[in-house]
Amino acid sequence: SQKIEQNSEALNIQEGKTATLTCNYTNYSPAYLQWYRQDPGRGPVFLLLIRENEKEKRKERLKVTFDTTLKQSLFHITASQPADSATYLCALDRGLFSGGYNKLIFGAGTRLAVHP
Amino acid sequence: SQTIHQWPATLVQPVGSPLSLECTVEGTSNPNLYWYRQAAGRGLQLLFYSVGIGQISSEVPQNLSASRPQDRQFILSSKKLLLSDSGFYLCAWSAGTGTREQYFGPGTRLTVT
Repeated sequence: SQKIEQNSEALNIQEGKTATLTCNYTNYSPAYLQWYRQDPGRGPVFLLLIRENEKEKRKERLKVTFDTTLKQSLFHITASQPADSATYLCALDRGLFSGGYNKLIFGAGTRLAVHP
Repeated sequence: SQTIHQWPATLVQPVGSPLSLECTVEGTSNPNLYWYRQAAGRGLQLLFYSVGIGQISSEVPQNLSASRPQDRQFILSSKKLLLSDSGFYLCAWSAGTGTREQYFGPGTRLTVT
């Protein structure tokens, strides 16, 4: 069966450092991979999408890489700030539209804590 | 701009009672709509999705049902709640074509006692 894994332990880093979160998957060949941010008690917020033929995608201080050989995506936040503290979810997207629908498979998320 | 609403924000219900959670989307037409449940420390589990009025697909067998009576309204229901129905319920929408990301509502925290 399809499996998606994110670091279950919280990641604690100092302000100003680069945070790196990992998303590994098995038994799956996603056409896209998405990253979301979720604050406690809130719904996830879309951050970035990367296609299988893209090695890297950037948006401001965020960078995502996608290695289909390793079946892994890395999510980086550079110059991290306390406001970046949240849970980050990765989601696999096979890219199939069946009547306009695309199914996402979400990981459990990694909690990031950025300390001043 | 598009917005998505869910209510209620929190709900405490006894076992065996009915359930109705509502989700509405503004600022877009013919969205794909989704209901997810999130258990503590777990990933989001897709419960239902809908690509149009009256079109509902279920991902997992369960005690819940969904309906889409209007284009931008999605309802999650149960006739008799179980303890295992407790969780954080999230509604989401995506555009029908062209974009792949999903946009989530604020969620409903359901506790079945």
